[in-house]
Amino acid sequence: QVQLVQSGAEVRKPGASVKVSCKASGYIFTSYFMYWVRQAPGQGLEWMGVINPSSGTTTYAPKFQGRLTMTRDTSTSTVYMELRGLRSEDTAMYYCARTNGWFDPWGQGTLVTVSS
Amino acid sequence: EIVMTQSPATLSVSPGERATLSCRASQSVSRTLAWYQQKPGQAPRLLIHGASTRATGIPARFSGSGSGTEFTLTISSLQSEDFAVYYCQQYNNWPFYTFGQGTKLEIK
Repeated sequence: QVQLVQSGAEVRKPGASVKVSCKASGYIFTSYFMYWVRQAPGQGLEWMGVINPSSGTTTYAPKFQGRLTMTRDTSTSTVYMELRGLRSEDTAMYYCARTNGWFDPWGQGTLVTVSS
Repeated sequence: EIVMTQSPATLSVSPGERATLSCRASQSVSRTLAWYQQKPGQAPRLLIHGASTRATGIPARFSGSGSGTEFTLTISSLQSEDFAVYYCQQYNNWPFYTFGQGTKLEIK
């Protein structure tokens, strides 16, 4: 079955970086774009960016430009999301989601906590 | 950016009754509209895409309607497992896909 499995929870200090992985299985990895979406505690869903796993081309939401990098490894069907210059407001659950326009499926989420 | 506005923020309904959730887009998105359900501690789950097409495995009590700027998610007879937060999302404006702020469906 189609599945996205993300790496485990992370704790970082302000100013640090975090890199989260998302391993895909059950479909042709290069056939679907992948988004990263985050959700702050008790808040709604916010798209961060998208990567084309075939070409590696990325587009980032304006608010994350300069701090966000998405990459992929086609040999392991894994996409990565790296966020730099972390601040307390970046504390959130981070999800990868395969897109066909709509998002399905989603990864299980990775909690990133930014705290001094 | 297309702004998605959901109403109401919270909806209180009794089990067995019908629930109607609304989503409005700031400009036309045709029928490129999806609905998701999210339960506490879980990732969102796709319910509806194309404004009215149920995703695989979604019960028939969930239905979507609308086009352009006005959309509705209807749950015909609420079951205990349906109490959750629901989000709409437009995918008309690549790649700037945006979500509504969510409607919390709670037990009355």
